[in-house]
Amino acid sequence: SAVISQKPSRDICQRGTSLTIQCQVDSQVTMMFWYRQQPGQSLTLIATANQGSEATYESGFVIDKFPISRPNLTFSTLTVSNMSPEDSSIYLCSVRPLTDAYEQYFGPGTRLTVT
Amino acid sequence: KQEVTQIPAALSVPEGENLVLNCSFTDSAIYNLQWFRQDPGKGLTSLLLIQSSQREQTSGRLNASLDKSSGRSTLYIAASQPGDSATYLCAVIGYSTLTFGKGTMLLVSP
Repeated sequence: SAVISQKPSRDICQRGTSLTIQCQVDSQVTMMFWYRQQPGQSLTLIATANQGSEATYESGFVIDKFPISRPNLTFSTLTVSNMSPEDSSIYLCSVRPLTDAYEQYFGPGTRLTVT
Repeated sequence: KQEVTQIPAALSVPEGENLVLNCSFTDSAIYNLQWFRQDPGKGLTSLLLIQSSQREQTSGRLNASLDKSSGRSTLYIAASQPGDSATYLCAVIGYSTLTFGKGTMLLVSP
């Protein structure tokens, strides 16, 4: 299994500003992912965070809006840039550990409200 | 493209009832299927993982089954309790993808 922590757990931000969300895992993982869950909706994959290279973004998400870093096998950040109220969501970090290639674990999420 | 459907979208039952949540998927070429629980405003808790070679998995009062050929999975909850109230999400796992259904919102009343 994997234990995932995210910071911050929640934030209220003003339109036009940026927020960086941190994800820390207690073990090395091959794959790290970032998801968004808009109010009342299911989860949508934003991107796969690749260690040592650029993230792979899903359709509808771009690096300028959601830059991602992954400096090592246990840490990643997601930045939500130039925020608008439509970015108000829960952002979740998710991982697949090296030992459990196909079981996926989720962090507690970051609840973002943009005013 | 994989599509995952969960039925029903919402379910309300009295405490003590046994219940079944359904999940169907369109592409049977999957690695695993995972059931999650999500409490309001919170992250996801993994309940059960069924590998593609398995037919079912059990954990306590929960039993999940998988029929890859027909593209179906069910989550059976025995003797439901108010603490089971949450949204239950089914997710189909490919090599580098995880496709979610929209979830079943369960309310168990005392």
